[in-house]
Amino acid sequence: GESVGLHLPTLSVQEGDNSIINCAYSNSASDYFIWYKQESGKGPQFIIDIRSNMDKRQGQRVTVLLNKTVKHLSLQIAATQPGDSAVYFCAENGNSGYALNFGKGTSLLVTP
Amino acid sequence: NAGVTQTPKFQVLKTGQSMTLQCAQDMNHEYMSWYRQDPGMGLRLIHYSVGAGITDQGEVPNGYNVSRSTTEDFPLRLLSAAPSQTSVYFCASSYDRSNYGYTFGSGTRLTVV
Repeated sequence: GESVGLHLPTLSVQEGDNSIINCAYSNSASDYFIWYKQESGKGPQFIIDIRSNMDKRQGQRVTVLLNKTVKHLSLQIAATQPGDSAVYFCAENGNSGYALNFGKGTSLLVTP
Repeated sequence: NAGVTQTPKFQVLKTGQSMTLQCAQDMNHEYMSWYRQDPGMGLRLIHYSVGAGITDQGEVPNGYNVSRSTTEDFPLRLLSAAPSQTSVYFCASSYDRSNYGYTFGSGTRLTVV
């Protein structure tokens, strides 16, 4: 069936560097994509979303890039801080509007 | 604005016991859903509701019941707890099932012994 996958299960970056977390999706019908951040012991927190009529969207220190041609989504975090350490999930709506489909997550570790 | 509130935060049950996990939202969201999160499995959809009086099954519904008598509340019932139901449970709500981001509660960590 359709699935959302992540290229890397863990990512370690130094404080101050930029982070890039990648996500591949397989359903060409997906037209809405979201990134979530989940800190230990907490629920997922909405970071940023993008619809398929856009290829880039920026928030505060975060940018989401969408490449529909290769079905790839990425989250860029500028000047990564220790507070950015968390698991990051991508989600998309490709399964006929049934519900959002969540990936398994990438763990981001920010080292001083 | 409290968002999505889940209670309890922690619970230990014995095999065979039943209980209800509570979920309430104050954002007037029509869509509400329950997920379970297990290590290495990501978030799996248990049940969802697109409005008061309407519920449907998700990916892993067995052993769970839901009802939606009001827009605000969406309780999840474990009928006869099993060790396989040990997990972290998240309730989420949204304006729409698939075209808006979900707001998640802080979770209920359930252990069945």
